[in-house]
Amino acid sequence: EIVLTQSPGTLSLSPGERATLSCRASQSVSSSYLGWYQQKPGQAPRLLIYDASSRATGIPDRFSGSGSGTDFTLTISRLEPEDFAVYYCQQYGSSPWTFGQGTKVEIK
Amino acid sequence: EVQLVQSGAEVKKPGESLKISCKSSGYSFTSYWIGWVRQMPGEGLEWMGILYPGDSHTTYSPSFQGQVTISADKSISTAYLQWSSLKASDTAMYYCTRRALSGSFDYWGQGTLLTVSS
Repeated sequence: EIVLTQSPGTLSLSPGERATLSCRASQSVSSSYLGWYQQKPGQAPRLLIYDASSRATGIPDRFSGSGSGTDFTLTISRLEPEDFAVYYCQQYGSSPWTFGQGTKVEIK
Repeated sequence: EVQLVQSGAEVKKPGESLKISCKSSGYSFTSYWIGWVRQMPGEGLEWMGILYPGDSHTTYSPSFQGQVTISADKSISTAYLQWSSLKASDTAMYYCTRRALSGSFDYWGQGTLLTVSS
């Protein structure tokens, strides 16, 4: 099973700042089959990025993903008030598909 | 418009059985895998298993194999998650989700909150 470790656990930033979230895999994620999801309190997760760097339908271009192998990054170029949430990475290249433990982006 | 609509919140006692549902619309139900994800209170997301409605092929996470049953009724475009004997540790929010052609989960149900308590 591939273990995904996200860092930091919590990121305290102000609106307008840049957020950089990390997701590290215990072994290589095949074909960069990695996604990023956003979850707000009381809501279901929402797909932001798939295949490491492709934005899902309707996702603003301030969200970008990068990386390959075992190291992946989600970047939010300028935080909007609605971006404060918990973010999860997920690998779907190798069963069982696994999620990271999440990074909370909170208002500083 | 793709929609996944889940059944409502449940309160059950330990040892009881339960089947929750996820009704899909807006796409060809038999052409996409449907998965289930658990989120325990205050915790992260855990992938439980997935089913292909076209042929009912099912794969479970080892953590959930033998603990739950995933099934579907193609005639009504509905997937199910079932327990035969609930435990207090099954208390969680359960989401159904569609697996996109890319492999990621592109659409999610609103969640079904299950509370198991004596």
